Amino acid sequence: NAGVTQTPKFQVLKTGQSMTLQCAQDMNHNSMYWYRQDPGMGLRLIYYSASEGTTDKGEVPNGYNVSRLNKREFSLRLESAAPSQTSVYFCATPGRSYGEKLFFGSGTQLSVL
Amino acid sequence: GNSVTQMEGPVTLSEEAFLTINCTYTATGYPSLFWYVQYPGEGLQLLLKATKADDKGSNKGFEATYRKETTSFHLEKGSVQVSDSAVYFCALSSTSGTYKYIFGTGTRLKVLA
Repeated sequence: NAGVTQTPKFQVLKTGQSMTLQCAQDMNHNSMYWYRQDPGMGLRLIYYSASEGTTDKGEVPNGYNVSRLNKREFSLRLESAAPSQTSVYFCATPGRSYGEKLFFGSGTQLSVL
Repeated sequence: GNSVTQMEGPVTLSEEAFLTINCTYTATGYPSLFWYVQYPGEGLQLLLKATKADDKGSNKGFEATYRKETTSFHLEKGSVQVSDSAVYFCALSSTSGTYKYIFGTGTRLKVLA
C-alpha cells in the first residue's frame, strides 16, 4: 500500500524546457492537490482537483497546468520552466474524507537553471 | 478567504524548555485545524489535529487547543528535546465551499543540547 507516489524525486531543467510531474494515489479519495514549498513561504497551493474531471486554481497557478487523468492520477506540467519555479513540489490527498489529514508524496526537488 | 498566520521563526530553545508556536486563522464556519511537522530532508507528516471548538489535539507530548473565540490553535510542548528540531506548519481545511487545505508559512524550531 504505497499511499501517494510522486515521480521523479529530483529534476534539473534548463529555462524554457518542459516537464510533467506525476502523482498517483491508492487511497481512493476524490480530492488531490499540488503544492510547492519554498523557504519562508510555507506550502502554497498550485492547483487542486476536487473530483475526477475537475481542476481548480490555487494560490500560485501561473506557469503550471494540470490533468486529472482518472481518480488515481493527477499530473502537474511546466510548459516552459523558469528559475522562479525552482522549488520542492508535493502532491497530496486526504486519507478518508475531506477535512481529514492530508497524505503527502515524498516530494520532487526541481531546479531550473 | 481562509488563511493561516503563524509566528515567524526560527525559534531556538534549550533542551527541556517550554515551547509555544502561535497560530491564528481566518475562516468562516468550523474548519478542521492541523499541525504538521517536517523533519530535515523529509516530507510533511501530521502531528495533531482538532475538528471542532474546544477540542484538544495531542501527540508525542505536543498539544494544541481549538479556540474559536480567539481563532487560534497554538502548539505547545512542556519540555522539548533535540529530536524535536524541525519545521512546524499550522493548517486548516477550507470551509468556503472549496476543498482546499491552507497552510501557514512554517516555523523552524532548533533545540540545543
